[in-house]
Amino acid sequence: DIVMTQSPDSLAVSLGERATINCKSSQSVLCSSNNKNYLAWYQQKPGQPPKLLIYWASIRESGVPDRFSGSGSGTDFTLTISSLQAEDVALYYCQQYYCARPGYTFGQGTKLEI
Amino acid sequence: QVQLVQSGAEVKKPGASVKISCKASGYTFTTYYLHWMRQAPGQSLEWVGWINPANGGTKYSQKFQGRVTTTRDTSASTAYMELTSLRSEDTAVYYCARGPVTGAFDIWGQGTMVTVSS
Repeated sequence: DIVMTQSPDSLAVSLGERATINCKSSQSVLCSSNNKNYLAWYQQKPGQPPKLLIYWASIRESGVPDRFSGSGSGTDFTLTISSLQAEDVALYYCQQYYCARPGYTFGQGTKLEI
Repeated sequence: QVQLVQSGAEVKKPGASVKISCKASGYTFTTYYLHWMRQAPGQSLEWVGWINPANGGTKYSQKFQGRVTTTRDTSASTAYMELTSLRSEDTAVYYCARGPVTGAFDIWGQGTMVTVSS
C-alpha cells in the first residue's frame, strides 16, 4: 500500500497568516496514463465527516473558498491556506486514490489551530 | 440536495455482526460508486471497500476481506455494509462516501458510530 505522511502533525497560525501543510507519498501518485496526480485534500471539523477541498492535487472543489490551494506532483504535495480564518480550524487529511494499483490511503492528519 | 444519510449508532458484543445503511438522495443512485471508510477514535481514516450500485460489483481492502460485505437496494437507493466477527478494534465511526473508482470522495454520510464492547 502507498503510505501517506503529513507534516507537521499540528500547526498554529495567526488569523490572516498563511498556513502550509505538507503530504508525502511513499510512491508516486502521478498516473502516467493521463498525467494526473491522484491526490485529494479533506477538511474535518469535530463531530463532522470529512469535506472534500481539493482533488487531482490542485483542483478546488466547487464552493471551496479560493484561499485554499493545492500544489505538488509525484510524491510531494502541499495544501496552502493563504489567509487563515477562524472557521479553518480543523483537521486536514491528504488522500491518494486509485490509479493503477487498488487502494485509497489517507495521511495521519494535521491539526490546524489559531 | 445531494446527500447520504446513514443509520444510527450501534453497540455490539465481540463476535457479533453489524449492518449499516447509507441512503442516497438528490442524484441518480446508480451513477456513482459508494465507498466505506472508518475512523477509530482519535485516528485517521481507513478505506474499507466500495460497491458499484449499478451492478453490485464490490472491492474490499485486504484487511477486511472475508469479514465485510457490501450490498445495495437500488429500489431504495440504499447501500449497506455488514462487518462480522466484531472485535474491540472495530470500534469506530463508519462513513459512506460517494466517488468514482478513480477519484476523490465528494459527498459523505454523517457517520455511524459502532461500539464493540462486552
